[in-house]
Amino acid sequence: GNSVTQMEGPVTLSEEAFLTINCTYTATGYPSLFWYVQYPGEGLQLLLKATKADDKGSNKGFEATYRKETTSFHLEKGSVQVSDSAVYFCALVGGTSGSRLTFGEGTQLTVNP
Amino acid sequence: GAVVSQHPSWVICKSGTSVKIECRSLDFQATTMFWYRQFPKQSLMLMATSNEGSKATYEQGVEKDKFLINHASLTLSTLTVTSAHPEDSSFYICSAKEQVDTEAFFGQGTRLTVV
Repeated sequence: GNSVTQMEGPVTLSEEAFLTINCTYTATGYPSLFWYVQYPGEGLQLLLKATKADDKGSNKGFEATYRKETTSFHLEKGSVQVSDSAVYFCALVGGTSGSRLTFGEGTQLTVNP
Repeated sequence: GAVVSQHPSWVICKSGTSVKIECRSLDFQATTMFWYRQFPKQSLMLMATSNEGSKATYEQGVEKDKFLINHASLTLSTLTVTSAHPEDSSFYICSAKEQVDTEAFFGQGTRLTVV
């Protein structure tokens, strides 16, 4: 079945540092890939997505490129802010799971001023 | 993006009572809704998938008689935790999709505490 593996956290950075959160996946066919963000005590918000190989999703300075050859969808941001502190989830839909999202374990990011 | 409203955002109840959580899609018709449970510092665990007008499909290990799901309309699904116990305390999150191949939008979650 489908699976998503995320870089273990927590990740602690200083403001304006470069961020990478690794995400790799296992799925049959051509899944769609997502990054969601969860702020404390809240539900999930879609951060960005990519639906086919080589697509780059981007939003609020975050980017991720769908790499089929390495089955990866790493999240990057060139300069993080304190307000980016949250939990980030990589997810996919498609393959053997149909319309259900398969989530990674989540990565806690803390950005210090 | 589309809005999914979950209510209440938090609830405290006594052991043995039942609690109902509502999930509404405010600006689209949701053919499919999902209910998740999230433990502290963990990922989301899918509990069940509900399609409007039909019975929910529960994930393995989820008691369907304890977690009653109703998806009576295209904009509303409810999760009722029956005879709640302290171990049912958790963060419950719903999500909704308009079509099978469209993205899912999430509610803001409900913090349930059973005392």
